[in-house]
Amino acid sequence: AQRVTQPEKLLSVFKGAPVELKCNYSYSGSPELFWYVQYSRQRLQLLLRHISRESIKGFTADLNKGETSFHLKKPFAQEEDSAMYYCALSDLTGGGNKLTFGTGTQLKVEL
Amino acid sequence: KAGVTQTPRYLIKTRGQQVTLSCSPISGHRSVSWYQQTPGQGLQFLFEYFSETQRNKGNFPGRFSGRQFSNSRSEMNVSTLELGDSALYLCASSLVIQGAGSPLHFGNGTRLTVT
Repeated sequence: AQRVTQPEKLLSVFKGAPVELKCNYSYSGSPELFWYVQYSRQRLQLLLRHISRESIKGFTADLNKGETSFHLKKPFAQEEDSAMYYCALSDLTGGGNKLTFGTGTQLKVEL
Repeated sequence: KAGVTQTPRYLIKTRGQQVTLSCSPISGHRSVSWYQQTPGQGLQFLFEYFSETQRNKGNFPGRFSGRQFSNSRSEMNVSTLELGDSALYLCASSLVIQGAGSPLHFGNGTRLTVT
């Protein structure tokens, strides 16, 4: 069965410091991975997906199949990055669109 | 485009009752999924509907059911409520792309409290 692990419940960094939110997955097929973010009092929203290879709000994530990881990185944290971040894996078996989420990491950027 | 709309925002029910939650997807999105979010278990997949058919189902008891209408709007129903059903129920809609995972667009959720 697929699984997504986010080992850190809370990550606290200072403004301007680099950020790395860890995500590891287990999946027997070819994974599609996403990062979702939830800012305070806002709905859960897509931050980025690995197949797009985009940089959104300065965040990037590289899929490492050897290490089964999809860590989220940003070189310089901003106060507005404080939010809850969820890593998610898409399970395409059966033709559906089912996401398995990690437990989330609360990022707190301190001044 | 209007986002995913869920109604009601808040519900308080008593054990043993049943409840129906509603979700209107983004226009043009034909896939609707439901997730349960709790502090202890996080986000857990309930089910997904596409073209009025359930395509996927999570590991929840049969008390949890859903349906989708021809206009893609969806409802989920929980019967014989238990205290442990207290949670935020999130609906998400997406386009359907064959062979690829489509990003989900989430609603604000319905906060269900069972007393």
